[in-house]
Amino acid sequence: DAGVIQSPRHEVTEMGQEVTLRCKPISGHNSLFWYRQTMMRGLELLIYFNNNVPIDDSGMPEDRFSAKMPNASFSTLKIQPSEPRDSAVYFCASGTGLTEAFFGQGTRLTVV
Amino acid sequence: GQQLNQSPQSMFIQEGEDVSMNCTSSSIFNTWLWYKQEPGEGPVLLIALYKAGELTSNGRLTAQFGITRKDSFLNISASIPSDVGIYFCAGPPSGTYKYIFGTGTRLKVLA
Repeated sequence: DAGVIQSPRHEVTEMGQEVTLRCKPISGHNSLFWYRQTMMRGLELLIYFNNNVPIDDSGMPEDRFSAKMPNASFSTLKIQPSEPRDSAVYFCASGTGLTEAFFGQGTRLTVV
Repeated sequence: GQQLNQSPQSMFIQEGEDVSMNCTSSSIFNTWLWYKQEPGEGPVLLIALYKAGELTSNGRLTAQFGITRKDSFLNISASIPSDVGIYFCAGPPSGTYKYIFGTGTRLKVLA
């Protein structure tokens, strides 16, 4: 198994632009998580999907952030419009139920 | 909000030494997970614990689920240079499904 696959690995964009991050979870996993990691705040859970349905999006910072999971093998996290304070590493993780979560390699986002 | 506090924040040790770190919470946990993160990579799961008092090993790593269910411990025996990284505890507080991560312990091993 290739593990959780995220793309792109790096993204540099200008303030105000739309950014879309992509994730392919491990086949057979029914839970999917999006995390954001910064030096100041560590790893923060943004949103949790179970069986493609968003269960908890209380960690999404504001309306500029949205996440979708149209099917069991794909999820996106979109930021529109992006701001410099959104610069961080964004991780996608998948698992079965609420046990272990397996992480992708992350997308390093820089908003200038 | 709920927090997982890890100590120490960072450690510098000599190769071959044993390492101990812990994670504490004000909430009860039903699951404790320990992850390791290396630069430029995502966290990698090391050990999962599901029962109070449980002691589980993975090679040179041993983790314990505290009896109070509010803490967990990770030990690394005979450290080697590739143990370098940041170690995180994580889990969903009891009654929730919201995984939270600890503040991390940064480990550096001097050869």
